[in-house]
Parts: sequence; C-alpha cells; structure tokens
Amino acid sequence: GENVEQHPSTLSVQEGDSAVIKCTYSDSASNYFPWYKQELGKRPQLIIDIRSNVGEKKDQRIAVTLNKTAKHFSLHITETQPEDSAVYFCAASLPHTGTASKLTFGTGTRLQVTL
Amino acid sequence: EAQVTQNPRYLITVTGKKLTVTCSQNMNHEYMSWYRQDPGLGLRQIYYSMNVEVTDKGDVPEGYKVSRKEKRNFPLILESPSPNQTSLYFCASSSSGRAGEQFFGPGTRLTVL
Repeated sequence: GENVEQHPSTLSVQEGDSAVIKCTYSDSASNYFPWYKQELGKRPQLIIDIRSNVGEKKDQRIAVTLNKTAKHFSLHITETQPEDSAVYFCAASLPHTGTASKLTFGTGTRLQVTL
Repeated sequence: EAQVTQNPRYLITVTGKKLTVTCSQNMNHEYMSWYRQDPGLGLRQIYYSMNVEVTDKGDVPEGYKVSRKEKRNFPLILESPSPNQTSLYFCASSSSGRAGEQFFGPGTRLTVL
C-alpha cells in the first residue's frame, strides 16, 4: 500500500516569514495530493490540493508543488500569520477499484507562527 | 447546512463493553470513511465505504466493524473495546468523483479504561 512521510514534525516561524512542509510518497500510482489544516480542537479541513497532471498550484498565500519523478510534494505558506498556526497534514490518494480512492495521510506538521 | 455529524462526541467506557459511534452526512456522498487520530501517527484509515453495502478495510481495521445500510449513515462498531482503541475518531465523506476532498465530522474522543 501507499506510505506517506511528512517533515518536519514541528515548525516554528516568525510572523511574515515563509513556511515549507515536505512530503514523500511511495506509490507512483498515486494521483491526488490534498493538504488539510487542523486547528486545535477542530476537524481537519482541506486547504489546497493538486493532481498528478499539474506541477504547481497556488491559492493566495499558499501553494503546493509536486515532483512526480522524485515522488514528493510540498506545501508553501508565504507571509505567515498567527492564524496559520495549526497542524497540517499531507495525503496521497491511491486509485482504487470502483469509483472512489483510498487516502493515506502523513503524520502531520505542527506549525507555530510567533509574533 | 451541509455537514457530517458524529455521536457521541465524547465517550468513556470500559474494556469489553460494546459500543457504536454513529456518523451521518446530508450531502448525498457515496464515499464515507473512518479514521483514528493518535499523537505522532497522524490520521489512519480504519474502514471506508464506496457506497451502500460496499465496505473495505483501511490501514488499521483490527477490532472494528462497520456497516453501510443507508447512504447517509456509516456507524463504527467496537464489539469488545480495548485500551489501545483509546483515540480521537473522525468520520469523513466525499463524492465518488473526488474522493480526496473529504469533509470531516467533528470527531469523537473515546477513552477505554
């Protein structure tokens, strides 16, 4: 099955700086890579995603890049703000028989944005 | 309001006492899934369902059962809970064409003594 590794496990940045979280996946057949943000005590929520036919996607201050050859993808947050403090999870979706896909998550990165 | 609901939100029980955590979604999603979240381990999939009466094991199915008799409901059953099943559980749903965009429920914090 798929295996997703995520680094770093914790990340502290100063407000206004950039943050980068990196993930690698094992199965080259994975074709969908979402990122979820989980604020303290809340449920995970999708913030951005990328499909295997795209190398980069941007949405305001967040962007995701995908390198299929190296089997890694990254989340970039620019101009970080205190409200970006949360746990971020990457995931990889392995095509499965039928109409749905199976999602495997990384272990999470706790991002702390300090003033 | 489109949402995924779980009940109960908090549960403390004892080893061996059967319990069920309910999950319901009102978005007509085909795909539903259960995850457990443990510190340092992230979100691990327990079971998932691609549609009514279609379920399959995720990465950590041991000790759990599920059923999908109706499209909107996907209960998680622990026949004989053990302390290593103490965890935060999330139910999620998505439409069949875009299974990666999962909508999560609020979570159920389970403690097994």
